[in-house]
Amino acid sequence: ETGVTQTPRHLVMGMTNKKSLKCEQHLGHNAMYWYKQSAKKPLELMFVYNFKEQTENNSVPSRFSPECPNSSHLFLHLHTLQPEDSALYLCASSQVKAGAAINEQFFGPGTRLTVL
Amino acid sequence: GQSLEQPSEVTAVEGAIVQINCTYQTSGFYGLSWYQQHDGGAPTFLSYNALDGLEETGRFSSFLSRSDSYGYLLLQELQMKDSASYFCAVPSLNQGGKLIFGQGTELSVKP
Repeated sequence: ETGVTQTPRHLVMGMTNKKSLKCEQHLGHNAMYWYKQSAKKPLELMFVYNFKEQTENNSVPSRFSPECPNSSHLFLHLHTLQPEDSALYLCASSQVKAGAAINEQFFGPGTRLTVL
Repeated sequence: GQSLEQPSEVTAVEGAIVQINCTYQTSGFYGLSWYQQHDGGAPTFLSYNALDGLEETGRFSSFLSRSDSYGYLLLQELQMKDSASYFCAVPSLNQGGKLIFGQGTELSVKP
């Protein structure tokens, strides 16, 4: 257990559905991240939140909408997805300190998303 | 920009030693991290090198040479459970907390 939980672990949805992925971290960290990992590919950073403020949107399509209501919770709202959006979606957290480089992120187990 | 290169695949036998290399290009540099990810699982942190030299943690060691923009992960006494993908990563200089990951090296350990 890394202290980061994600639900659901598996999700199958149609292209017209709306669903949300949830991430919760129990580590007291102040930064959270969403990554996409397609089969046999590296991690693609989607969104970064520092102190609940979104600091990066890595050219992600608007059909993915993040929400960070507090420093412990992160959501990814999904709507009108495409089959190519099928992937493993990973959430991570870390403790950001001003002037220091971060060397460790803690990842959740991921949500395996299949879009039909 | 920042980019990292590592081999896509490495194969070794149980009990052997394997080295996974990572070269990086960055406009600035803080340190090099390594993560392990088993198939379908979450990446987990293995090590971080901020200074030149070798850091040892059990069967795993990580090396950094800042002058060569190069590092490696050394796995000794390989076990079947070490079969996984290994990613090197560097912190982004622009956004606090952001990591730039390499493509990943898939290690297959054979009996």
